[in-house]
Order: sequence, then structure tokens, then C-alpha cells
Amino acid sequence: DAGVTQSPTHLIKTRGQQVTLRCSPKSGHDTVSWYQQALGQGPQFIFQYYEEEERQRGNFPDRFSGHQFPNYSSELNVNALLLGDSALYLCASSTGPKERNNSPLHFGNGTRLTVT
Amino acid sequence: AQSVTQPDIHITVSEGASLELRCNYSYGATPYLFWYVQSPGQGLQLLLKYFSGDTLVQGIKGFEAEFKRSQSSFNLRKPSVHWSDAAEYFCAVGPPHGSSNTGKLIFGQGTTLQVKP
Repeated sequence: DAGVTQSPTHLIKTRGQQVTLRCSPKSGHDTVSWYQQALGQGPQFIFQYYEEEERQRGNFPDRFSGHQFPNYSSELNVNALLLGDSALYLCASSTGPKERNNSPLHFGNGTRLTVT
Repeated sequence: AQSVTQPDIHITVSEGASLELRCNYSYGATPYLFWYVQSPGQGLQLLLKYFSGDTLVQGIKGFEAEFKRSQSSFNLRKPSVHWSDAAEYFCAVGPPHGSSNTGKLIFGQGTTLQVKP
């Protein structure tokens, strides 16, 4: 049973560039949430995708955008990268809100983004 | 405002000693409560969760946590720590049962556990 998989594992970008991170949810899950974890901090919620739509959003600028595909996989895009965007980006999957059972999030190992 | 506080940034215990990691939360209603563990370079693994019912919940790896509504706390405990327990521990809260806002967890800053041989 494959868990949540993320790619790439590491990425180095320059300020002003754009980046795309990818996530495949755990088998049987249809909802994907993205988190940003800065060094020494707890994860912070970016947004959640369900049924190919952004359902919830945290306090992140519009430079952060995403997409969910029909197979439930998801992408996180960040435009105009800043040094402060350097962090571990975590993807988590769960069953959808319609289940209303707060199924626990299952996290991937993350993508380490370094902006220079 | 909704928040989670883990007062201890760093804790060191001897192998075989007991452990308690503190977590306090601020939330409008009784939230769902979680403890996650993160090893270096890894994602987060769920240790245990509290939704309702018995306030003492058992998790994986011998961990347990107790929900105390009056203190808005959800402390994590383990009777005897093993060297492999050294990691970062995060307490998190999520919306109550029946909410449509699933997935949006609020995490504490984390507690780093070091285990002395």
C-alpha cells in the first residue's frame, strides 16, 4: 500500500524563479492538503484540494497556487520565489470533507526547497 | 485566535526514563487533537488522536495522551523512553467532528526530544 509520495525530494531555485512540487496521495484518499514547514517551526497550512477545487486556504499570498488532477494527485506552484520561501513542503492526504469524519492526515516525506 | 503551544522547545531524558511532552491549545470548540512525530528528513507520522470519548488515548510505539478539557491540554506520555524515540514531536488541533474544514490542522512549534544512553 503506497503512502503519500512527493517529488522531487530536494530542489534549489533562485529568487524570482517559479517552482512546481508534486504529490500523489495515499491509495483510497481523495483530498490533498499542502503545508509549509520552515526550519525549526511546525507545519503551516497552505491550502487543501478536493474534487479538483481549492476548498480551504491558509494565510499565504497568491504566489502560492495549486491544482488537483482527476486521479487525485496534486501540484503546488510557487511564483516569484523569495528567500523566505525556503522550507520543507509537506503534502498530506485524507478522505474527503463529505465523510465528515476528520480522517487523520497522512503525510509524505516532503520536498526540501532552497531559494538562493 | 486558534493556536497550539508546546512550552518545551527541547527536552532531554535518559533512556528508560518516563516522558511527558506538554501541549496547550486555544480553540473555539473542543477540537480534534493529534500528536505527530517527525524524524530528521522525514514527514510526519501520526502517533495518536483524540476525537471524543475516553480522555486517555493510546497510540503507537507505546505512547499515550490525556485530554483535559478544563486545562485545554493534551499532553503526551511514555513510561519508558527508547533511544529510537529521539525525534521532533508536534501537537496539532483540527476542527470538531462534523466540520467540513477537514485537513486544516494547526500545529505547535514542536518539541525536540533527545535521549541520553
